[in-house]
Amino acid sequence: GQQLNQSPQSMFIQEGEDVSMNCTSSSIFNTWLWYKQEPGEGPVLLIALYKAGELTSNGRLTAQFGITRKDSFLNISASIPSDVGIYFCAGQLSGAGSYQLTFGKGTKLSVIP
Amino acid sequence: DSGVTQTPKHLITATGQRVTLRCSPRSGDLSVYWYQQSLDQGLQFLIQYYNGEERAKGNILERFSAQQFPDLHSELNLSSLELGDSALYFCASSVSLGEETQYFGPGTRLLVL
Repeated sequence: GQQLNQSPQSMFIQEGEDVSMNCTSSSIFNTWLWYKQEPGEGPVLLIALYKAGELTSNGRLTAQFGITRKDSFLNISASIPSDVGIYFCAGQLSGAGSYQLTFGKGTKLSVIP
Repeated sequence: DSGVTQTPKHLITATGQRVTLRCSPRSGDLSVYWYQQSLDQGLQFLIQYYNGEERAKGNILERFSAQQFPDLHSELNLSSLELGDSALYFCASSVSLGEETQYFGPGTRLLVL
């Protein structure tokens, strides 16, 4: 099946620093999504991208849908302690009425105050 | 709070047993998705139901089955449990077929001993 390569696997950063993570795929997707998961919770949608080349922001978060439709990145600016969690990229390929998500393995973010 | 509820939150059982996980989608959502999250495989799509009908199947074992009832709640049945079935099981729901945002529940943590 489709595989998403997400990197880095984990990051330790100082509070206030910017963070960048990305996802690449061997196949194209129609939609790229970024989720955040905190301990004991389900993934929460942060940003959804629907068009190749699209750049979308949500507060301090910015994500882009790659032109080739095979990659996406997420930037977090001026990190704060509550940014701690695991960030997942997910690709969605609509076809035959199925909109299942394919997830990356996640980037575990730790913020040092 | 995503509006998706899952019960139970934790489940401990023995190999060979059978368990049922329950999910109630957000009010008005017609689609329910089941995902398995394990340490080595990450988040994997299992199955989707839309308005009571199976819509898409992912990496779901034959020992696993699901259904969606007329009131739109869903149950995931796991039988002949093995140690490797220990994982977090998430349910997600969306308004229609899935082109829209999928909202995740808090998950059920299954431990097979």
